[in-house]
Amino acid sequence: QKEVEQNSGPLSVPEGAIASLNCTYSDRGSQSFFWYRQYSGKSPELIMFIYSNGDKEDGRFTAQLNKASQYVSLLIRDSQPSDSATYLCAVTDSSASKIIFGSGTRLSIRP
Amino acid sequence: DAGITQSPRHKVTETGTPVTLRCHQTENHRYMYWYRQDPGHGLRLIHYSYGVKDTDKGEVSDGYSVSRSKTEDFLLTLESATSSQTSVYFCAISDRVGGLKNEQYFGPGTRLTVT
Repeated sequence: QKEVEQNSGPLSVPEGAIASLNCTYSDRGSQSFFWYRQYSGKSPELIMFIYSNGDKEDGRFTAQLNKASQYVSLLIRDSQPSDSATYLCAVTDSSASKIIFGSGTRLSIRP
Repeated sequence: DAGITQSPRHKVTETGTPVTLRCHQTENHRYMYWYRQDPGHGLRLIHYSYGVKDTDKGEVSDGYSVSRSKTEDFLLTLESATSSQTSVYFCAISDRVGGLKNEQYFGPGTRLTVT
């Protein structure tokens, strides 16, 4: 079974700081990588996706991909209390027909 | 929730009873998925569909069956519910697989408790 690993946290970050979330995956054939945000009691919401090595920025969010190291990360700049949630890393399998999810990292932004 | 509804949103049932959960989409997406989410396990794929009447098993399919008779509806059935099937169930949709842009969008979820 291909795996996606995340630190479960909780990760506590002061308001205004940069939050850094990390993920590793085992399937070298994976081509698409996603970050979902999930508030408590709610469904996962897609916030970022990345396909190419390097950085992709969208507002306060930056996704980083390193295929050689099989590593994906999400940076959240100027963290806000509303960013407090669980962040799920997700990776397509090598057939690209299914997505495999990590267990999520719980992020807490403290005022 | 990208035009996806799930029903019921909450259900309590007894061990041994059949249960059917419904996912309905208005996006006309071809691919539909059923996941369960449990603490410490993240989202695990139960079954998925790649078209009307075309379905396949995911990693945790034992005890579950699915049907898709229309593009917009994907049903998940627990033939005889067990306490281990107490979970939150999410439906997801996608308009493509393969290639790169194959993200999935999730419904609001169904919280199922088997007593």
